[in-house]
Amino acid sequence: SQQGEEDPQALSIQEGENATMNCSYKTSINNLQWYRQNSGRGLVHLILIRSNEREKHSGRLRVTLDTSKKSSSLLITASRAADTASYFCATAAAGNKLTFGGGTRVLVKP
Amino acid sequence: GAGVSQTPSNKVTEKGKYVELRCDPISGHTALYWYRQSLGQGPEFLIYFQGTGAADDSGLPNDRFFAVRPEGSVSTLKIQRTERGDSAVYLCASSPTYTNNEQFFGPGTRLTVL
Repeated sequence: SQQGEEDPQALSIQEGENATMNCSYKTSINNLQWYRQNSGRGLVHLILIRSNEREKHSGRLRVTLDTSKKSSSLLITASRAADTASYFCATAAAGNKLTFGGGTRVLVKP
Repeated sequence: GAGVSQTPSNKVTEKGKYVELRCDPISGHTALYWYRQSLGQGPEFLIYFQGTGAADDSGLPNDRFFAVRPEGSVSTLKIQRTERGDSAVYLCASSPTYTNNEQFFGPGTRLTVL
């Protein structure tokens, strides 16, 4: 079963615009991670935020975590065509076993 | 350095056959994970190894699925009596340890059961 649920399921934006996607989960976590996947194959790790952190930045990425609402958001600023991909949130409870959401498919139009 | 590699990249088999999928983790990573991803969905956890032992196999769907990691490095996922519902992309990942770490994913093996 999948714990995280991403919203929206799909997102289409123009190059240069910001893209925001949200993730909700159900149980307590140690950390939450965001991954990107191109063409339905290998996943690339983007950012990890621990349960005691509220916000984290990495380049054009900004992630927030609200453990009281069991939700996280991923913001991609100044999007590029190369950002076109599926984005998944994944939660880790005890240890590092990941439970993924269904993903958000992002299309960045040039 | 080399990333996680998986072989074969694609495997087509007939219903009822046996298949083996191989994963080579990043050198030195003690934790190794297997996930399965069906079309349009997120990956689902199958099993993870800490060293040679399977520390958590709660995601294996049934006893047709088995995985080994005899020397604490390469792992093989074995599926007996394959069914059409086993068709999916099987992803392998590794991490330095099994605590609070990002996981490094391989490109996956796309299994098609006819």
